[in-house]
Amino acid sequence: KAGVTQTPRYLIKTRGQQVTLSCSPISGHRSVSWYQQTPGQGLQFLFEYFSETQRNKGNFPGRFSGRQFSNSRSEMNVSTLELGDSALYLCASSWGRGGTEAFFGQGTRLTVV
Amino acid sequence: EDKVVQSPLSLVVHEGDTVTLNCSYEVTNFRSLLWYKQEKKAPTFLFMLTSSGIEKKSGRLSSILDKKELFSILNITATQTGDSAVYLCAVEAYSNTGKLIFGQGTTLQVKP
Repeated sequence: KAGVTQTPRYLIKTRGQQVTLSCSPISGHRSVSWYQQTPGQGLQFLFEYFSETQRNKGNFPGRFSGRQFSNSRSEMNVSTLELGDSALYLCASSWGRGGTEAFFGQGTRLTVV
Repeated sequence: EDKVVQSPLSLVVHEGDTVTLNCSYEVTNFRSLLWYKQEKKAPTFLFMLTSSGIEKKSGRLSSILDKKELFSILNITATQTGDSAVYLCAVEAYSNTGKLIFGQGTTLQVKP
């Protein structure tokens, strides 16, 4: 069974640009959550999608957005990139909403210069 | 505000030692607690605990949850160099379904 797949693995962008990250969950999983990991703040929750709807959102500015498609694949978009957006972006998939094991992808390392 | 605190933040042991990692939490409407191992990129799922006092075990790793005292421990016996990693504890609440709140992590280094 394939795991959670995130693409691309690495990205370098310039301040002010926008970026789209992709996450394909484990087959059969319907919930996808996104996290930002930085050395200073650790893992912080961005948002969760289930059945193509955003169900929960963390404390990030509106520049961070996402969506989920009918096949449960999810994308995350960051607009007007800032240097502080440099981080490892991880997505996790789980079978249902809450109370079930969440499995992480390898992450996308975003560097903003 | 919901909070998860792990201790110690870092630990150095020698192969064969037994280690205990701690995770305490303050969460309204606790639902579950999860342990992950992160070596390079992807946190790898270890255990999910929802009921108090029940031990989850996988090989040399085991974990137990105390819902009354609001903490969990992760034990690793007969440590190996391959156990070197950051161990992350995360908690989910019923009032915030789908969101995992992570602790800072414990960095474990196992020396040969």
